[in-house]
Amino acid sequence: ELKVEQNPLFLSMQEGKNYTIYCNYSTTSDRLYWYRQDPGKSLESLFVLLSNGAVKQEGRLMASLDTKARLSTLHITAAVHDLSATYFCAVDNPRDDKIIFGKGTRLHILP
Amino acid sequence: EPEVTQTPSHQVTQMGQEVILRCVPISNHLYFYWYRQILGQKVEFLVSFYNNEISEKSEIFDDQFSVERPDGSNFTLKIRSTKLEDSAMYFCASSRTGHEQFFGPGTRLTVL
Repeated sequence: ELKVEQNPLFLSMQEGKNYTIYCNYSTTSDRLYWYRQDPGKSLESLFVLLSNGAVKQEGRLMASLDTKARLSTLHITAAVHDLSATYFCAVDNPRDDKIIFGKGTRLHILP
Repeated sequence: EPEVTQTPSHQVTQMGQEVILRCVPISNHLYFYWYRQILGQKVEFLVSFYNNEISEKSEIFDDQFSVERPDGSNFTLKIRSTKLEDSAMYFCASSRTGHEQFFGPGTRLTVL
C-alpha cells in the first residue's frame, strides 16, 4: 500500500527565509503533484512532476523529484506572507492509479 | 479560464438520507475524480472515472457511493444513505491527460 509522508506538518517561518518541505513515498512512482490549499478553499495545482530528476520553478517555489530516493522537495526561497497556506504532495500509484495525498504541511509565514 | 464547478456549495442532510453532489468538469477533460477532506485532515481519494466507467476506487467508496456521468457535462456523486462520518468537504477534479488535475471549489456536506 502506497504511503505518502510529508514533513514538517507545520512550519512557522519569518519572511525572507528559505525552507524546504519534504515528501517521501513508499512505493515506486514517477508521478507526483504539489497542491496549495488556502483555508476553506479548494486545491490549486502548483507542480506536476513526471520523471526522475524533474525540477520545476514558479516564482519563489521550486519542486523536484528523485524517484530513486522516492522523495520530492518543495523549496521556498525568500518567503513572503502570501505564501502562507497548506501544501500537499500527492503521489500517483502506477499499480492502481489511485492518487494518495500526504497529510499536508501548514506553512505560516510571519511578517 | 475554464474551471470545475460544483453544486451545492453546502448541503445539510439528515442521517440516512440520500444526497447527490454535482460537478461540471472542464469541458475537454476526460478524467474525473472525487475526493473528500474531513475538516482539518488530508485529502482522500474516493474514485476516478474515465471512458464512462470507474477506473479506480478506494476502500472508502463502498456500496453506499456511486458516480454517474448522466450527460455530456455533469459528473455526480451519490451517497445512498448518509452517515455522520460522511460529513466532509467533497471535491471534484478533472484532468485532460490523467496527470494534472483541476479541483472544483468543493461541497461541504453536513450530516446531522
